[in-house]
Amino acid sequence: GAVVSQHPSWVICKSGTSVKIECRSLDFQATTMFWYRQFPKQSLMLMATSNEGSKATYEQGVEKDKFLINHASLTLSTLTVTSAHPEDSSFYICSARVGGSGPNEKLFFGSGTQLSVL
Amino acid sequence: AQKVTQAQTEISVVEKEDVTLDCVYETRDTTYYLFWYKQPPSGELVFLIRRNSFDEQNEISGRYSWNFQKSTSSFNFTITASQVVDSAVYFCALSEARDSSYKLIFGSGTRLLVRP
Repeated sequence: GAVVSQHPSWVICKSGTSVKIECRSLDFQATTMFWYRQFPKQSLMLMATSNEGSKATYEQGVEKDKFLINHASLTLSTLTVTSAHPEDSSFYICSARVGGSGPNEKLFFGSGTQLSVL
Repeated sequence: AQKVTQAQTEISVVEKEDVTLDCVYETRDTTYYLFWYKQPPSGELVFLIRRNSFDEQNEISGRYSWNFQKSTSSFNFTITASQVVDSAVYFCALSEARDSSYKLIFGSGTRLLVRP
């Protein structure tokens, strides 16, 4: 089956530094990728929708300048948390969409990245 | 607006018991998709099922079954003869066809604990 690789699995960084998280579709081309954020014992909240070659669409309340998303190719999307602060500590998970619309559409999730900002 | 409600925050059962996880959704779209995902302690999301709004047939897959009722906007998930390995957080999610991105809107999740 389709595989979405997300790296790193966990990262600890100092406050004020930037962290990049990669999401790769290993055996398919993903025209659309999604980035979610999950706080402990809470649901996944969609942060942004990323389409290859175009600017990401951010959900309301998500800071575009803080969470930079780049989808430069059909197999790679990156999320950069800029000037990270402790409140950015969370579990970030990406998903990639493959196929057309309707019954052919499938979503695959990465394994997530636990970010801890000290 | 689209919304998914999982009213059960946590459920605890003893192994071999049957358990039903509730999911109620809201949407104005006539074409939509409903999903269930399992999130074990490792964090990754495991896809369980996808159902489109035009298919109200209930589905059974091994110990898992799903009951889709459009009349009550519910898509409940039942685990028969639960096992310890079923312990996880389960998410119900909705995707609307009119949203060309097909983004998923998740419910708040139900944490299932199966005790031996």
